[in-house]
Amino acid sequence: DIQMTQSPSSLSASVGDRVTITCRASQGITIDLGWYQQKPGRAPKRLIYAAYTLQSGVPSRFSGSGSGTEFTLTISSLQPEDFATYYCLQYNSYPLTFGGGTKVEIK
Amino acid sequence: QLQLQESGPGLMKPSETLSLTCTVSGGSISSNYYYWAWIRQPPGKGLEWIGNIYYSGITYYNPSLKSRVTIFVDTSKNQFSLKLSSVTAADTAVYYCARYYTGNSRDDGFDIWGQGTMVTVSS
Repeated sequence: DIQMTQSPSSLSASVGDRVTITCRASQGITIDLGWYQQKPGRAPKRLIYAAYTLQSGVPSRFSGSGSGTEFTLTISSLQPEDFATYYCLQYNSYPLTFGGGTKVEIK
Repeated sequence: QLQLQESGPGLMKPSETLSLTCTVSGGSISSNYYYWAWIRQPPGKGLEWIGNIYYSGITYYNPSLKSRVTIFVDTSKNQFSLKLSSVTAADTAVYYCARYYTGNSRDDGFDIWGQGTMVTVSS
């Protein structure tokens, strides 16, 4: 199984801050990685697929990068509605595996 | 617009078999390139993929649950279902159904989710 290690597990930031979340795969997954946002009590929502392709309707302040084993999700200027938990998902091979999540909290 | 809705019991006793159904509306479950998935999330914890099924019946399961899990599809009802046997308190979670797209352009992923249903296992 491919293990996905996400860091940090939580962070505190202010509105307007630049935020970066990292996901590391235990083996190479090319660009078969997505990022999901989950707000409390809600189902996750896909933000990015294929490591850096923005889902339609997702604000351009979100961006993804990386390939192989190292990936990042960046929020260029944090907005109030971005406070949530973020997960990466690898779909290079079964079993599909999520990262442990990063909770973005208000400083 | 395609929507997914989970249904099933909210409370179960240890050793029972969990049965959940996901009803697909606004589109056909028999669509090419789409698998149908179950994902769960224990309270305060992260997401765990349970398994995927294609309308033809092809399945993929999480090895950690494979001995207890069955996912099946009923195309006539536009539904797919999850059975998880011998549940324990560790199976307490919100269970989501989702649509999983798999294409040729590395754009796979869960693009539509149900709202989730909480299942509690307690004696």
